[in-house]
Amino acid sequence: GESVGLHLPTLSVQEGDNSIINCAYSNSASDYFIWYKQESGKGPQFIIDIRSNMDKRQGQRVTVLLNKTVKHLSLQIAATQPGDSAVYFCAEINQGGKLIFGQGTELSVKP
Amino acid sequence: NAGVTQTPKFQVLKTGQSMTLQCAQDMNHEYMSWYRQDPGMGLRLIHYSVGAGITDQGEVPNGYNVSRSTTEDFPLRLLSAAPSQTSVYFCASRGSYNEQFFGPGTRLTVL
Repeated sequence: GESVGLHLPTLSVQEGDNSIINCAYSNSASDYFIWYKQESGKGPQFIIDIRSNMDKRQGQRVTVLLNKTVKHLSLQIAATQPGDSAVYFCAEINQGGKLIFGQGTELSVKP
Repeated sequence: NAGVTQTPKFQVLKTGQSMTLQCAQDMNHEYMSWYRQDPGMGLRLIHYSVGAGITDQGEVPNGYNVSRSTTEDFPLRLLSAAPSQTSVYFCASRGSYNEQFFGPGTRLTVL
């Protein structure tokens, strides 16, 4: 079956450093990927998305990279701030339009 | 716009009780869905709807019913609550663009 999983459950970085959160997916037919940020006690919040016909997309302080050859997705956060501390999920929209989530990586930012 | 709203925020049930989790959105989105999130896990899709009058099952539909009589509302019903349904429940909606908006969640405990 489909799965979208993350390599590491936790990540700790120093304030000001760059963060890289990784994600592997299994469905090579996946067309669309999304990164979500979830703060404690809140629902997931959209960060950035990428279509399968792209290999890179940039937003404000965030970049998503897609490597379809190895079915790997990453989220890069530049100059990480304490407000970036949260759990980050990658998710995939499959051919049926369903949004499937990975397990999540908890990012902690040390001041 | 209020976005996606959910009620109640917290609920405690006894095994065998029934209840309805309410979800409403004011963005005129056709696509709505329900997820559950267990500790340390990603979100798992319970049921979804692509428009009023249309519902379908997600990854974990057993023990839950849904209906979609209007575009705005998408209630989730637990007919006979079980301890395994203790979880945080998120409702979400999505418009023509793939960005999905999540509600604040309902924290349910079944004793």
